[in-house]
Amino acid sequence: GNSVTQMEGPVTLSEEAFLTINCTYTATGYPSLFWYVQYPGEGLQLLLKATKADDKGSNKGFEATYRKETTSFHLEKGSVQVSDSAVYFCALSDLGFGNEKLTFGTGTRLTIIP
Amino acid sequence: EPEVTQTPSHQVTQMGQEVILRCVPISNHLYFYWYRQILGQKVEFLVSFYNNEISEKSEIFDDQFSVERPDGSNFTLKIRSTKLEDSAMYFCASSGGPADSNEQFFGPGTRLTVL
Repeated sequence: GNSVTQMEGPVTLSEEAFLTINCTYTATGYPSLFWYVQYPGEGLQLLLKATKADDKGSNKGFEATYRKETTSFHLEKGSVQVSDSAVYFCALSDLGFGNEKLTFGTGTRLTIIP
Repeated sequence: EPEVTQTPSHQVTQMGQEVILRCVPISNHLYFYWYRQILGQKVEFLVSFYNNEISEKSEIFDDQFSVERPDGSNFTLKIRSTKLEDSAMYFCASSGGPADSNEQFFGPGTRLTVL
């Protein structure tokens, strides 16, 4: 079946540091890939997505590229801010259109220190 | 901005009791979901719901669980005869607005504690 493996946390960085959170997946078809973020006390919010190989999703300075050859979708940001402190979830959906179940990774807690 | 809401934020119950977790999806959405996250583990899909019936469910979603959309606005998850291992954060989500972006919008979750 489908699965998502993401970098174990927690991750602690200083403000303005470079961020990478690794995510790899296993899927039988051609899934869509997502990064969700959960700020304290809030629900999961879609951060970015990519629907096919070599697509790059980007939002709020975060980027991730759909790499079919390495089955990866690593999240990156060039200069993190304190406000980026949250839990980040990598996810995939089976059919690539979103109106079906999401398969999540375990989440990575990110803390940014001023 | 429209949002998914869930009540209660925290529910404590005794083992063997029934609980109902409530969700109000975004009003023009057509697809509804429940997920759960046991502490320290992955967010897991439970069930999806469309056109007043279950469209897909996971192996977790056994006869102990049921979902309902009783009045066109609420979407509920009922857990009968709760067990200790049902303790988790339960997330509701909805998708399928007029723009059909297919993005799933999540609520803040209900933390269920079974004692």
